[in-house]
Amino acid sequence: QPVLTQSSSASASLGSSVKLTCTLTSGHSTYIIAWHQQQPGKAPRYLMKLEGSGSYNKGSGLPDRFSGSSSGADRYLTIVNLQFEDEADYYCETWDSNTRVFGEGTKLTVL
Amino acid sequence: QVQLQESGPGLVKPSGTLSLTCAVSGDAISSNWWSWVRQPPGKGLDWIGEISHSGSTSYNPSLKSRVTISVDKSKNQFSLKLSSVTAADTAMYYCATAASGPLAFWGQGTLVTVSS
Repeated sequence: QPVLTQSSSASASLGSSVKLTCTLTSGHSTYIIAWHQQQPGKAPRYLMKLEGSGSYNKGSGLPDRFSGSSSGADRYLTIVNLQFEDEADYYCETWDSNTRVFGEGTKLTVL
Repeated sequence: QVQLQESGPGLVKPSGTLSLTCAVSGDAISSNWWSWVRQPPGKGLDWIGEISHSGSTSYNPSLKSRVTISVDKSKNQFSLKLSSVTAADTAMYYCATAASGPLAFWGQGTLVTVSS
């Protein structure tokens, strides 16, 4: 089954940009993933579905500040003009016919 | 827009069975895939399993021997049973749903503590 690897933490300044990475294991580099945001004390929120081509579909109401891109087995979530409310844990998810897998999450700190 | 709401006991005794229900509104349970995900305190998301609108189930191999997920179409809800629980099963439990791929809608979660 696929495995997703994420950095444990990232930080960036208010108003700047950050690019979070989710890496698929070899043999699964074409998999579609999803990004989820979990603000402190809240349930996860679906952000977007991201294909290996770099094409992405955002969830309802997600600001234009959020975008996705891909390169090989890497899937990226870019947030521009960082706001304090973007401080959260970000998880990637993938799936196949009989399983779902989450990455371990990246804790984003907005300085 | 789909809305999900978990319910069930917040405290379960060790070796007992954890039972949760997820009420679905805004969509018929006769479509989509319906999942359970848990999150131990301070840790990441862990997929438990899911059931399709047709009743097909898939479970996390690490939990498969203890998990049962079922659907009650008449009540538009689905349920989770996890048997032989230990303190390691203490977690926030979320229900979620996927139409075609990712888990696009999540419940608010319910905390279950395993303790005597």
